Amino acid sequence: AQSVTQLGSHVSVSEGALVLLRCNYSSSVPPYLFWYVQYPNQGLQLLLKYTSAATLVKGINGFEAEFKKSETSFHLTKPSAHMSDAAEYFCAVGRAGGGADGLTFGKGTHLIIQP
Amino acid sequence: DAGITQSPRYKITETGRQVTLMCHQTWSHSYMFWYRQDLGHGLRLIYYSAAADITDKGEVPDGYVVSRSKTENFPLTLESATRSQTSVYFCASSESGATEAFFGQGTRLTVV
Repeated sequence: AQSVTQLGSHVSVSEGALVLLRCNYSSSVPPYLFWYVQYPNQGLQLLLKYTSAATLVKGINGFEAEFKKSETSFHLTKPSAHMSDAAEYFCAVGRAGGGADGLTFGKGTHLIIQP
Repeated sequence: DAGITQSPRYKITETGRQVTLMCHQTWSHSYMFWYRQDLGHGLRLIYYSAAADITDKGEVPDGYVVSRSKTENFPLTLESATRSQTSVYFCASSESGATEAFFGQGTRLTVV
């Protein structure tokens, strides 16, 4: 079975500060990993994905994430937060090589940007 | 336009009524999913489908029924709505069960 743990249901940073959202996963096989963003009253939008190529993955809106196998982590970062980054962020894992039941999602982290 | 469309966006229904949430995708993706999103629980899988006429239960299937007679449609039916089914429902599709999923805008359902 696979699972995802997102540390911190709420993270607050100042505008211009570093954003760090933590995600740890467990998977019995090499995983595919994803970060999604959800703005109020909208669906989930893919930010970035890791599918066993480069371990440092760049996504949209200046976000990036690094896959660290030894730490089973896939933390999301952005060097400088913007007010428009305020949203809910979800980490997800998929099983490479199959898994018809789709991605397993973490419970989400609400990112708050302080002016 | 290509994409995944859910309808209605908002629905209020009474306890005991049957209600169907619609989902339509234009990518011809094989896989489709229904999730519910509740505060503190994140996204929980209700049902999924690997192809037309193939469906299976997810984490929280009780009280829900799905069908998939056509690849592009995956309706979710609440046979007898209960207050505990008040939630935001998301439909998603993907090329495979492990690759990125594409989400609809969601349906906010309130059962009174």
